[in-house]
Formats: sequence, C-alpha cells, structure tokens
Amino acid sequence: QVQLQESGPGLVKPSETLSLTCAVSGYSISSGYYWGWIRQPPGKGLEWIGSIYHSGSTYYNPSLKSRVTISVDTSKNQFSLKLSSVTAADTAVYYCARDTLDYGSGSCSFDYWGQGTLVTVSS
Amino acid sequence: DIQMTQSPSTLSASVGDRVTITCRASQSISSWLAWYQQKPGKAPKLLIYKASSLESGVPSRFSGSGSGTEFTLTISSLQPDDFATYYCQQYNSYWRTFGQGTKVEIK
Repeated sequence: QVQLQESGPGLVKPSETLSLTCAVSGYSISSGYYWGWIRQPPGKGLEWIGSIYHSGSTYYNPSLKSRVTISVDTSKNQFSLKLSSVTAADTAVYYCARDTLDYGSGSCSFDYWGQGTLVTVSS
Repeated sequence: DIQMTQSPSTLSASVGDRVTITCRASQSISSWLAWYQQKPGKAPKLLIYKASSLESGVPSRFSGSGSGTEFTLTISSLQPDDFATYYCQQYNSYWRTFGQGTKVEIK
C-alpha cells in the first residue's frame, strides 16, 4: 500500500521560505510516476502547486512558479517543496500526493494522498 | 488558464436520493478530468479518473460522464457516508485546476 507523509514546520514567518518534505513508503519513487503538492487554505478549495517526475523534471502552477521549487531525493524515497517569500495568503493545509499524469493512458489524477500538514504564516 | 465551474455549490439531499454534480470547463479538456470526495479534516479521495473510470475500491453508485467542457458526477443512491464535499479537477498543458467544490448536505 502506497503511503505518503508530509513533515515540516507548522509555523513560518512572513517573507521567509516554507519547506516541506513528503516521505513515500510502499512504492519506490524511482519506479515512476509524478509526485505533487496541493494546498488548501482553511475553509477553502484545493490548489495544485506543482509536480515532479522521478527523473527530476518539474511543472508548476504558473501563478506560483516564481516562488516554488520542488525537488526529489530518490535515495531517501522522498520529495520536497520550497515556497519562498511567504505571506499570510500561503497559510494552508499542504498535501503531497502521487500524480498519475500519463499521456498514454489519459490519466491525470492524484490517487494517493498524505494526511496533510497545516502551515501557518505569522510573525 | 482553464477555469472550472462546479454547480451547485451546495446541495441538500436525503439518503436514497439520486445526486448529480456538474463541472464545466472554460475550454475543451477532452477527458482529462477527475472527481474527488473530501470529508472534514481529511485528504481528498479519488473517485473517478479520465472523466468516467471508477477508481478501484470506490462503490459503483458513483459514476462520471462527459467530455469536452461538460462533466457530471452522479451518485445513484445517496448513502450516509456520502455526505461530503466533492471537487472536480482538470488537466491541460501541464496545468491543473480544481473546481470550487460542491458540499452535499443532509436534507
């Protein structure tokens, strides 16, 4: 069974960089798939942040692209998110998920999700 | 960018009701659409992928249809466990967007 677990600080100061890691178990990232980050502000809807392929190629939400970096560490079977210059608007539950994007099959969904971690931006 | 418009935003229904949620894309996305169910405090759960394919383990009372710009999620007979918020999600040219969500409430 594929499992994902987010970790990182729950409180980040404005203008600083938010850093989260997603540890994957039950599946080797090196075997394939994209791996993504999605966030949800309190009481609001879902926003895709970006995704990374096991090879390291990335694609990001254009509205966040200038502030986002997603990286992968296949030796630790984990991937990470960095979001710079955060403001209160970045306060949200951050989820990591397996991204099934595959042009061959026409799939584009997130099939396994972490439980989510709340990150609050406040001084 | 492609906008996804879900309707209704809130739906009141009773156990046993047939429920339909609609998602409209601002331009054609073929069948690049998924549906999720989310309960309070929990991560979203994938229900439908490729617009109409049922995810493994999801009850058959859930079904999806549509292509191009109009999509629907149908619950054939609403069960107590189905009261939740539902989101559609599209993919186009390396960009994903979610609908704003439809909350299914007990009538």
